[in-house]
Amino acid sequence: DTGVSQNPRHKITKRGQNVTFRCDPISEHNRLYWYRQTLGQGPEFLTYFQNEAQLEKSRLLSDRFSAERPKGSFSTLEIQRTEQGDSAMYLCASSFGGQGSHEQYFGPGTRLTVT
Amino acid sequence: KNQVEQSPQSLIILEGKNCTLQCNYTVSPFSNLRWYKQDTGRGPVSLTIMTFSENTKSNGRYTATLDADTKQSSLHITASQLSDSASYICVVRSGAGSYQLTFGKGTKLSVIP
Repeated sequence: DTGVSQNPRHKITKRGQNVTFRCDPISEHNRLYWYRQTLGQGPEFLTYFQNEAQLEKSRLLSDRFSAERPKGSFSTLEIQRTEQGDSAMYLCASSFGGQGSHEQYFGPGTRLTVT
Repeated sequence: KNQVEQSPQSLIILEGKNCTLQCNYTVSPFSNLRWYKQDTGRGPVSLTIMTFSENTKSNGRYTATLDADTKQSSLHITASQLSDSASYICVVRSGAGSYQLTFGKGTKLSVIP
């Protein structure tokens, strides 16, 4: 499968714990995006990388959230001191940043449940 | 503020029937509009992408229209199948140099036998 992959697919954690999610983009894609989606809502933008540089961050990305893409390939999203309000589906997408529509291809998501 | 509004919020139709989903947007400047299909518990999958100069685009049984003057789009599904049951999300990209997309909340379609 050469699409965007995310791990784990599901994560249940207790409030106050730290969690880390991984996203592996399509190999030739230089852009990587993180989104959060709650039930009945569309995805909300969190942050975006071009290669290893984090170029944009949403105000939704509080100090407890950090994302990295150290080698410009896979990315990790860490949430520290999780809260029940962090329960959501975390989606990763990637695109190729050349000429054209920059079509974003989404991964299957990581569903986080904070108890 | 950039916004994308979709209607209806949910829709139930009989297998074999047609349906039309609506999307109104206030994103400016406009770059392109996409329709995604999202199965429950999965990531969105692109159905169509339309730029300013395109007003109709088809992908199999899916036909999207775009009226850039009124800032409206629709997604028409012909001869619905049970596998069409999903959320359909309208997404608009701004041409302002940002790579962020503005997502609608989606229309949840249920196709019943």
